[in-house]
Amino acid sequence: ETGVTQTPRHLVMGMTNKKSLKCEQHLGHNAMYWYKQSAKKPLELMFVYNFKEQTENNSVPSRFSPECPNSSHLFLHLHTLQPEDSALYLCASSQERGTRPQHFGDGTRLSIL
Amino acid sequence: LAKTTQPISMDSYEGQEVNITCSHNNIATNDYITWYQQFPSQGPRFIIQGYKTKVTNEVASLFIPADRKSSTLSLPRVSLSDTAVYYCLVGDGGKFYFGSGTKLNVKP
Repeated sequence: ETGVTQTPRHLVMGMTNKKSLKCEQHLGHNAMYWYKQSAKKPLELMFVYNFKEQTENNSVPSRFSPECPNSSHLFLHLHTLQPEDSALYLCASSQERGTRPQHFGDGTRLSIL
Repeated sequence: LAKTTQPISMDSYEGQEVNITCSHNNIATNDYITWYQQFPSQGPRFIIQGYKTKVTNEVASLFIPADRKSSTLSLPRVSLSDTAVYYCLVGDGGKFYFGSGTKLNVKP
């Protein structure tokens, strides 16, 4: 149990579908993150939220749209994805933004047909 | 930007001590160094964090020289269950990066 829960664990979708990934933490953390992990590549930081405000967008294509309605929940809305977007999407949280220890969920394995 | 460099892979045997070194030449003054462990199909798990000198907890030690341009994760007496990918994370003020990770393979 990591304290960070991601749903669904697996998702298969077509390129024209719209879906959302959900992340939830009840650790009292103020920062939340989305990462992408592709095969044989380092974890890529996508978005950072601090106190519900987006503080970083690392040149992520607009077909990925994050949403942070409160400090405990983070969503990643997906629309018109490409096959190269197939990856493991990881959510993390930390007490504060930066290099303080992050707590990760076990990710959503996304496959684009 | 404080990117990191780690060996791609390492092999070890059960019961041995394993040392994994991470290079981070552009580390910023206020940055911490953090190590994570990741098993297949799971998110990374925090192992240890330090700023300078030596830090020890129940699972590992972290050695950081005075210039802080590198760090070494030390795992005492590894077991088969320590087979995983180990990541070094260093901040750079606003941005931070995971390294490419070191795949540790522990053999019986």
